[in-house]
Amino acid sequence: DIQMTQTPSSMPASLGERVTISCRASQGISNYLNWYQQKPDGTIKPLIYYTSNLQSGVPSRFSGSGSGTDYSLTISSLEPEDFAMYYCQQYDSSPWTFGGGTKLELK
Amino acid sequence: QVQLKESGPGLVQPSQTLSLTCTVSGFSLTSYHVSWVRQPPGKGLEWMGVIWTGGSTAYNSLLKSRLSISRDISKSQVFLKMNSLQTEDTATYYCARLEHTTGVFDYWGQGVMVTVSS
Repeated sequence: DIQMTQTPSSMPASLGERVTISCRASQGISNYLNWYQQKPDGTIKPLIYYTSNLQSGVPSRFSGSGSGTDYSLTISSLEPEDFAMYYCQQYDSSPWTFGGGTKLELK
Repeated sequence: QVQLKESGPGLVQPSQTLSLTCTVSGFSLTSYHVSWVRQPPGKGLEWMGVIWTGGSTAYNSLLKSRLSISRDISKSQVFLKMNSLQTEDTATYYCARLEHTTGVFDYWGQGVMVTVSS
């Protein structure tokens, strides 16, 4: 199974700050990488698909990049509603696997 | 609009079978795949399995021997059955729609918390 390692596991940040979350796969995943946001009430929504494509309705301050084994999610200027958990997910091969998550916290 | 809603027992005894239902609306199960994903308390997400639009299934190899996913198209329902439950199966269970052109889980249910305990 492909292991997905996210760093950092938690990140204190301030409103308006630019932040980047990293995700490393245990083997190349050919850009088959999605990002999700989970709110404290458990609600999950997609942000980015296939490494860098913005899901419909997601603000343009979110962006994704990467290739091979290394991928990242960047939020250009943090808004109050962005403080949440973030997960990467590979779908290059079954079983599809998620990273351990990054908790974005208000500093 | 697209909605998915999980339902099932909140408490299951060890060694028993878990049965969950995902009722969908706003789309057809013959047009979109549906997966189950679970999340133990305070932990990350684990993909469990998928039922494809054609009705075939694929499972996480770690759960394959205990897991079954099926559906009733006429009722717009997807079912999860998992046997031999243990305490480590305590989790919130989500169903999610898989968008086949982008490969993303584009809509998720609210989740249902299942506790395995005697």
